[in-house]
Amino acid sequence: GENVEQHPSTLSVQEGDSAVIKCTYSDSASNYFPWYKQELGKRPQLIIDIRSNVGEKKDQRIAVTLNKTAKHFSLHITETQPEDSAVYFCAEGQEGGSEKLVFGKGTKLTVNP
Amino acid sequence: DTAVSQTPKYLVTQMGNDKSIKCEQNLGHDTMYWYKQDSKKFLKIMFSYNNKELIINETVPNRFSPKSPDKAHLNLHINSLELGDSAVYFCASSLFGSGSYEQYFGPGTRLTVT
Repeated sequence: GENVEQHPSTLSVQEGDSAVIKCTYSDSASNYFPWYKQELGKRPQLIIDIRSNVGEKKDQRIAVTLNKTAKHFSLHITETQPEDSAVYFCAEGQEGGSEKLVFGKGTKLTVNP
Repeated sequence: DTAVSQTPKYLVTQMGNDKSIKCEQNLGHDTMYWYKQDSKKFLKIMFSYNNKELIINETVPNRFSPKSPDKAHLNLHINSLELGDSAVYFCASSLFGSGSYEQYFGPGTRLTVT
């Protein structure tokens, strides 16, 4: 069935350190894995996504890795800044299907100055 | 210029009342969604419409009834409100089959049932 496990639920780092958030999915048909960032009181916004035909994607300080065999994917943020503080959600979906996204429970990231 | 808008932003009402939330998008998308975000920030899909046709209908009480008059609008009507309905409701939209799959969220409607 559809299920996305996300860890950790909270993460606190010092400014300049790296942060890693991990997600595990169960549906082998899933082939689209986005990450959304939600700042306090704001709407979720897509920050990066990856499809199953690639193992890694990078956009400046943000990178996502995917291991299809193990069914897990991770978000890596390097050189963290206070404005990175937010709740991050991973999700899984199936291209060509209903385009439904199943979200993880979120990770609250706090970057301490 | 707002891409996905929702009204109202805040809604405070008493148990048993009926209320509606409206959503509009000007992105030219053909698929719209309703999500519920509870106090623990868990984001769960409720409904999805593609070109006014219901394509996703999760296990949601039938007190919740979505309605899509056209592909730019998706409204949510809730009957007989209960305390457990208190949450932030997000509308979102996307362009089906475009290859993008990005969902654009509205600002949310914070519903408080007293």
